[in-house]
This record gives sequence, C-alpha cells and structure tokens, in this order.
Amino acid sequence: DVKVTQSSRYLVKRTGEKVFLECVQDMDHENMFWYRQDPGLGLRLIYFSYDVKMKEKGDIPEGYSVSREKKERFSLILESASTNQTSMYLCASSSAGSGGLNTEAFFGQGTRLTVV
Amino acid sequence: AQSVSQHNHHVILSEAASLELGCNYSYGGTVNLFWYVQYPGQHLQLLLKYFSGDPLVKGIKGFEAEFIKSKFSFNLRKPSVQWSDTAEYFCAASPHNTDKLIFGTGTRLQVFP
Repeated sequence: DVKVTQSSRYLVKRTGEKVFLECVQDMDHENMFWYRQDPGLGLRLIYFSYDVKMKEKGDIPEGYSVSREKKERFSLILESASTNQTSMYLCASSSAGSGGLNTEAFFGQGTRLTVV
Repeated sequence: AQSVSQHNHHVILSEAASLELGCNYSYGGTVNLFWYVQYPGQHLQLLLKYFSGDPLVKGIKGFEAEFIKSKFSFNLRKPSVQWSDTAEYFCAASPHNTDKLIFGTGTRLQVFP
C-alpha cells in the first residue's frame, strides 16, 4: 500500500518560531509537493521538488523554504512562523512523468498548523 | 500563469439528482487533467484523469468527466448522486512539460438523503 506520511497531524507553534514540517514517502517517487489548504482557496502550491536537492517555487513560496536531501523526504520550513500561516499543510508525491504523461499524486493526511 | 478555476463553491443536492461540477484551466499548451476527491476526515484521492485520446473519461464510483479542448474545460459528472458522495472535489491540471500539479479552489458537495 502506497504511503505518504506527515510527521504530525496537529501542531501549535508561537509567532516567530522556526517550524519544520516533515514528509516521507515510501514509493521511490521523484516528485514531491507541499500545498496549503484553506477554506475557499483550495490547495495552493508552496513548493515542488522534482529530484533530490532540486526545487521549484509554487504560487505562494513567501515565508517558506524547503529541503530535499534524500529522495524519500521533503521538509517544509517556516523560518519565522506568523499567524497568517495557520493552515492545513498537505504533502504529496508522484513518479516522474514520461512522454508528456503525468502520474497520479498521492497525498498525506495533512498537518494542521496553528500559529498563536 | 497557469490556473484552474472551479465555479461552483458549494453544491447541495438530494440523493438521485444529477451532478455536474465545472472546471476550467488556463494554459495554452497540452495539459493532463485530474479530479481528486476528499471525503470528510480523509486524505485526497484520485477520482479520474485525462491524458489523451477519448475526451470522455470514466473514473471510480460512477463518476465521469469530459474534456472539451475548445472550452478549456474538464467538467465532472455523475448521473445519480448518493449520500456517500458528500465530499470536497478538486480539479487539477499539469502541463505536459512539467510534473507540477495545480489545483482549483474546490467544490464542496453535500448530498441529502
């Protein structure tokens, strides 16, 4: 059974703290994604990684950074958490497409982060 | 910039009613298109996908979607909904030259018995 695991389901952090959200996949996927999900705004892509140490900004990268040192792990970092980063964070992974055909993304359960 | 639009934010139906959820994408080139579903308390999962070929694609649980290239649309349909279809539905697009996956804002579907 395919699995994308996010390290925490719920997190509460204080404003200004450095926050690490961890995601691990066991499918040997090349691609990994971080999204935030907010009511009425859907899923917005924060960062995308298509290989180890390779990353690409999504639509809302401000205030976030990422790290992909190993293929199976993709970390999202909030350098200095702010209250407007309170949200549900979703990690996903997919295998690299070929011939123009993209593949299905598999999602983790999400981390609900509250910044107080 | 690439984007995906879903016009219906909240849809309320009775069981056995027909469903159509709209999805439009803005990208000039070839795209792969997806519908994902998120049942209450669960993670997102794939409902169906379109890559090429027959523009009418069938997915799980009786869902289907039609790709209309001239309208940049990929609408989701189901002839007769069930209470268990209550969920949030997301349309997504991925251009052929990248594996980046862009989602729409989602449609919350409530089905009453």
